[in-house]
Amino acid sequence: DTGVSQNPRHKITKRGQNVTFRCDPISEHNRLYWYRQTLGQGPEFLTYFQNEAQLEKSRLLSDRFSAERPKGSFSTLEIQRTEQGDSAMYLCASSFAGRSQYFGPGTRLTVT
Amino acid sequence: DQQVKQNSPSLSVQEGRISILNCDYTNSMFDYFLWYKKYPAEGPTFLISISSIKDKNEDGRFTVFLNKSAKHLSLHIVPSQPGDSAVYFCAARGGTQGGGADGLTFGKGTHLIIQP
Repeated sequence: DTGVSQNPRHKITKRGQNVTFRCDPISEHNRLYWYRQTLGQGPEFLTYFQNEAQLEKSRLLSDRFSAERPKGSFSTLEIQRTEQGDSAMYLCASSFAGRSQYFGPGTRLTVT
Repeated sequence: DQQVKQNSPSLSVQEGRISILNCDYTNSMFDYFLWYKKYPAEGPTFLISISSIKDKNEDGRFTVFLNKSAKHLSLHIVPSQPGDSAVYFCAARGGTQGGGADGLTFGKGTHLIIQP
C-alpha cells in the first residue's frame, strides 16, 4: 500500500498524559500536513512541512503541541499534558510540491 | 469567521440522477479548490480539484465548476451511485488565515445520501 499511513489508529489516554502520533507520507511527496477534525466540523489545519522544514503553524497549535519531521520522511505530532478538549481525529496528509493533498486514515484521540 | 461554507448539511438524491453539492467562499486569496469524500472512521479521499484560473474541471462522473465573481463552486456527480453516499467536503488553499499559504481551509461538509 503506497498511501499515507498513520499510527496508532486509536489512542485513549488520561488527562495530563503525553501522546505521540506518527505519519508516514506517500514516498515521493515532499510536503506533509497535520490537521485536526472534531465532530460536525471539517478538518482544521495545524501545521505543514516541506521536507524537514516546518514552514507554517496555525494559531490552533498551542505550546503543548509539537511536530517534527527530522529526515524529511515520516513525521510525529506530540501533545503534552493532554486536555479533554484535545479529543479529536488527527489527520495527516501529503502532497508533491503543494499539489492535491492526500490524507491518511487518521488517529482518533480520546482524552478521559 | 468561516471562510468556506457548505450551507446544506445534507442532500438526498435518487440513484441515477445528478447530485449537485455547493460551496461558497469569502477569501479572494484562495487560488486552488478541492473536493474530498469521507466515509465514517476514514480519512478524506481526494476527488477532484480546480485552479482559480479555470472555471471547469471534469474527471469521469465528477465535474467541478468555479464561479470566481460569485465566489462559488459546485461539484456535480452524474449519474449518482449508491457508493457515492458519504460526507463531501469543499476545501480551499491559499488564504491568509487558517491554512495560510498551503494548508487547506475546509467547509463543514454535506452528507450526500443516494436513495435506490
